[in-house]
Amino acid sequence: DIQMTQSPSSLSASVGDRVTITCRASQSISSYLNWYQQKPGKAPKLLIYAASSLQSGVPSRFSGSGSGTDFTLTISSLQPEDFATYYCQQSYSTSMYTFGQGTKLEIK
Amino acid sequence: EVQLVESGGGLVKPGGSLRLSCAASGFTFSSYSMNWVRQAPGKGLEWVSSISSSSSYIYYADSVKGRFTISRDNAKNSLYLQMNSLRAEDTAVYYCARDQRAARPAAEGVIYYYYYMDVWGKGTTVTVSS
Repeated sequence: DIQMTQSPSSLSASVGDRVTITCRASQSISSYLNWYQQKPGKAPKLLIYAASSLQSGVPSRFSGSGSGTDFTLTISSLQPEDFATYYCQQSYSTSMYTFGQGTKLEIK
Repeated sequence: EVQLVESGGGLVKPGGSLRLSCAASGFTFSSYSMNWVRQAPGKGLEWVSSISSSSSYIYYADSVKGRFTISRDNAKNSLYLQMNSLRAEDTAVYYCARDQRAARPAAEGVIYYYYYMDVWGKGTTVTVSS
């Protein structure tokens, strides 16, 4: 099974900050990496697919990069609505998708 | 509007069974693979099962293999999850999610397909407790 590890598990930041969340795969997954945002009591929302492609309707302050085993999600200037939990997910193994454990982004 | 609506959750005793449904609308359901993803209280997301558009390919997480069965009825635009031998650790919100794919051409005419879950339902809650 492919394990996904996110860091940090939690992060405090202020509005306007630049924030980076990291996701590492236990083996190479090329660019088969997606990022989701989840707010309390809500379903996850797709932000980035194929490591760096921005989903339609997602603000351009979100960006993704990486390939192989190391990936990052960057928010260039935090907005109040960005405080949420973020998950990475690999789709390299289509017979067994796996998610990272999540990164909770909190207001400082 | 593209929409997924889950139903069928509830309270069940350990060892019991439950069948979840997911009603799809606003898109050609029969053209997409579908997934079930769950989230235990206060925990992260866990992929549970996937089914291809024609039900030819079906996959399960190890944690539910042999106990859960995914199925679909394309004529009814519906996805199902039959859950048997339920355990306390199956307590979670269960989401259905559409599997989308994006094609990217590479060198020498090769095309790579990237998969992601682009549409999610609001979830249905399953509680396993005596």
